[in-house]
Amino acid sequence: DAGVIQSPRHEVTEMGQEVTLRCKPISGHDYLFWYRQTMMRGLELLIYFNNNVPIDDSGMPEDRFSAKMPNASFSTLKIQPSEPRDSAVYFCASSSRELNTEAFFGQGTRLTVV
Amino acid sequence: AQSVTQPDIHITVSEGASLELRCNYSYGATPYLFWYVQSPGQGLQLLLKYFSGDTLVQGIKGFEAEFKRSQSSFNLRKPSVHWSDAAEYFCAVGPFSGNMLTFGGGTRLMVKP
Repeated sequence: DAGVIQSPRHEVTEMGQEVTLRCKPISGHDYLFWYRQTMMRGLELLIYFNNNVPIDDSGMPEDRFSAKMPNASFSTLKIQPSEPRDSAVYFCASSSRELNTEAFFGQGTRLTVV
Repeated sequence: AQSVTQPDIHITVSEGASLELRCNYSYGATPYLFWYVQSPGQGLQLLLKYFSGDTLVQGIKGFEAEFKRSQSSFNLRKPSVHWSDAAEYFCAVGPFSGNMLTFGGGTRLMVKP
């Protein structure tokens, strides 16, 4: 398996624009997580899904953030409208409860909002 | 609420020297504990994990960690550091192996030649 795949790797956008980050989890994994990493706040869990269903979105900072998982092999994190303070590295991770795996992380998307 | 504290933000060691990175956690139940490593511009890679059994766990790249319940600690160690170990290290806690990790703030390791 190629691991967790995120796209794009880098995104630069202007304030007010919509941004969509994409994630393909490892095949067969039933959990998917979105994390945000900043210098100030470190690694924060934004939202996670189990079997494509959002379980806990308490980490989503504002209504401008939304996440979907339409099927087991794809998830998106959308920010609309984006603001400079959203600049961060966003990580997607997946895991399997049945196989008792740890969370495997993608390489992240570095978002810069100017 | 669960929390993880890594007291050392930066550590510099000489190549070949031993290393210990500290991690203290707060968790209401028996936790899963993890150490991840992050190289610049990369995602997080698991070094090792602990849930039960032998309190000294071995991981990849020659790392090991010891769980001490009485001290709520899970410190990472390596007997001889290599220049390629320079990276940021994160301790994390969660309810089971692949779920809802709470991360510490990280320790950035620099290795002197």
